[in-house]
Amino acid sequence: DADVTQTPRNRITKTGKRIMLECSQTKGHDRMYWYRQDPGLGLRLIYYSFDVKDINKGEISDGYSVSRQAQAKFSLSLESAIPNQTALYFCATSDPDRVGYTFGSGTRLTVV
Amino acid sequence: QKEVEQNSGPLSVPEGAIASLNCTYSDRGSQSFFWYRQYSGKSPELIMFIYSNGDKEDGRFTAQLNKASQYVSLLIRDSQPSDSATYLCAVNIEANAGKSTFGDGTTLTVKP
Repeated sequence: DADVTQTPRNRITKTGKRIMLECSQTKGHDRMYWYRQDPGLGLRLIYYSFDVKDINKGEISDGYSVSRQAQAKFSLSLESAIPNQTALYFCATSDPDRVGYTFGSGTRLTVV
Repeated sequence: QKEVEQNSGPLSVPEGAIASLNCTYSDRGSQSFFWYRQYSGKSPELIMFIYSNGDKEDGRFTAQLNKASQYVSLLIRDSQPSDSATYLCAVNIEANAGKSTFGDGTTLTVKP
């Protein structure tokens, strides 16, 4: 099994619909992140969490919300999806030793 | 000015050559620096990290950091077609904050 699992892998949804992207990890890391990637662009941070009770907004949190259900689970929700939220979404984990991220396989979301 | 900037690319080198990828960052207090490789349609994979000025070598990869000039580079020696990918530079601006800011990436093609 992958260290960081994202579901679904692909999703097409309609404008205005609520959608949840899920992430679970088996690495035992406290820190989890949600990033989005648009074509030709790097990753932009949406939300991050350093433990279950510590959730922080990233640079592009508007229109998104998150839930840290357990150390291993971190979900991203789009309350009312809009077309410019069409992107590739990545979940990542890290530990405090500053050795970088482990990414999930990504969720390709299309809002029509 | 973007916080992390990379050569816009694309970069093309012949097989066996040295590929040089460059990254500059704006915050002089930045602490940790990472290079990720991302194959098309896949998630980013950490290949190098560096914290101190100077060079760090791992196999065919060398990361170079110059904090005075605020740049970090990645050299790939004896480039192989399998090195063809997008390379993302990432910077942790705050010490121990654990969240990274990414550049837009440089796409490298190694031609046989």
